[in-house]
Amino acid sequence: NAGVMQNPRHLVRRRGQEARLRCSPMKGHSHVYWYRQLPEEGLKFMVYLQKENIIDESGMPKERFSAEFPKEGPSILRIQQVVRGDSAAYFCASSPPGDAEKLFFGSGTQLSVL
Amino acid sequence: GDSVTQMEGPVTLSEEAFLTINCTYTATGYPSLFWYVQYPGEGLQLLLKATKADDKGSNKGFEATYRKETTSFHLEKGSVQVSDSAVYFCALSSSGSARQLTFGSGTQLTVLP
Repeated sequence: NAGVMQNPRHLVRRRGQEARLRCSPMKGHSHVYWYRQLPEEGLKFMVYLQKENIIDESGMPKERFSAEFPKEGPSILRIQQVVRGDSAAYFCASSPPGDAEKLFFGSGTQLSVL
Repeated sequence: GDSVTQMEGPVTLSEEAFLTINCTYTATGYPSLFWYVQYPGEGLQLLLKATKADDKGSNKGFEATYRKETTSFHLEKGSVQVSDSAVYFCALSSSGSARQLTFGSGTQLTVLP
């Protein structure tokens, strides 16, 4: 039973480029969460999605960031026109329906903006 | 807003030593408290949790007690092993679910044989 899969593990972008981070939840999980960890800080909640719906995006910056979880395929966190301050580790987590406290995390994508 | 403060690392111990990693929190209401562990190259995993005051969470020899009077949730283990080497994160959820966890910055533990 594969865990939460994130790719790529490392992503390097130049300022102004787009970054696309992918997350495949555990089998049977329909809830996906994205968290960001800035250097020397704890993980911060960004967005919570179910299939084809954004449930809570209160932690996501209003501009340049978007997330989706389509009916088929992985969840995507998209960052447009990246800036140096976007450099961070981005973690995805999933949970089974009806048990939102049982979170399983992926090993993260390290985004570096040059 | 909610916040979690963890003991700064890194922490280096010899095998069979006693471990304490301090964690204090600030939150409105009555949060649920969690410890997550991240082994090298892997994602975070839930280690233990407590949902109300005086509850004790335990798993794999680790324990933590929810202390409302001191707003603390310190992680302890009586005898650590090399395989316990990992990063430990304290977290809270005050939204009634785990959807919006607030994490501490993590404590790196290295156990030497």
